[in-house]
Amino acid sequence: RKEVEQDPGPFNVPEGATVAFNCTYSNSASQSFFWYRQDCRKEPKLLMSVYSSGNEDGRFTAQLNRASQYISLLIRDSKLSDSATYLCVVNLLTGGGNKLTFGTGTQLKVEL
Amino acid sequence: NAGVTQTPKFRVLKTGQSMTLLCAQDMNHEYMYWYRQDPGMGLRLIHYSVGEGTTAKGEVPDGYNVSRLKKQNFLLGLESAAPSQTSVYFCASSSSRPGNQETQYFGPGTRLLVL
Repeated sequence: RKEVEQDPGPFNVPEGATVAFNCTYSNSASQSFFWYRQDCRKEPKLLMSVYSSGNEDGRFTAQLNRASQYISLLIRDSKLSDSATYLCVVNLLTGGGNKLTFGTGTQLKVEL
Repeated sequence: NAGVTQTPKFRVLKTGQSMTLLCAQDMNHEYMYWYRQDPGMGLRLIHYSVGEGTTAKGEVPDGYNVSRLKKQNFLLGLESAAPSQTSVYFCASSSSRPGNQETQYFGPGTRLLVL
């Protein structure tokens, strides 16, 4: 089983739609969680951290369910510019320091 | 600030050739990382460094070596390139401050093709 699993998509949605992605992780000792965004042929960039109580940043809402070991990202009122791959990232503190594990990403295509 | 830069952006090698990828950051970060990204697979950590003069193996270190002689630079070397090393290589850096370590800043990537 992969440490971090995501549906690769693509999710094709019309502009203005609401879309949600889920991600599951296997290590219950994981401590912190993130969503990164990666545009085509570009580097990943941090989109937002995911807090236990859930958090919102504009049109983006992230939630964490530790009991079920999954993380979600909700995007409201999708824009064309939201088209990208969204990477779920899990951090585990080990003897060697913080270890980030990246999911393979979920591709979002927002269409007119 | 330029952030994290990588040189070169693209390179074609023949099997057996060697090369060095250079990563530089101007954010005074202690931690630096080298990842590779392949289709259908998440970013995988090759090597990392928690400070000048220190390096450690990541998830997929075989076939690569690294050096961190200066705090701002992290070099990734391929001594004898193999087709399996065809990939996109990303360098990243992060602060060592508690609570900030998990936020990594990535360079634009180096696309390497080994024939």
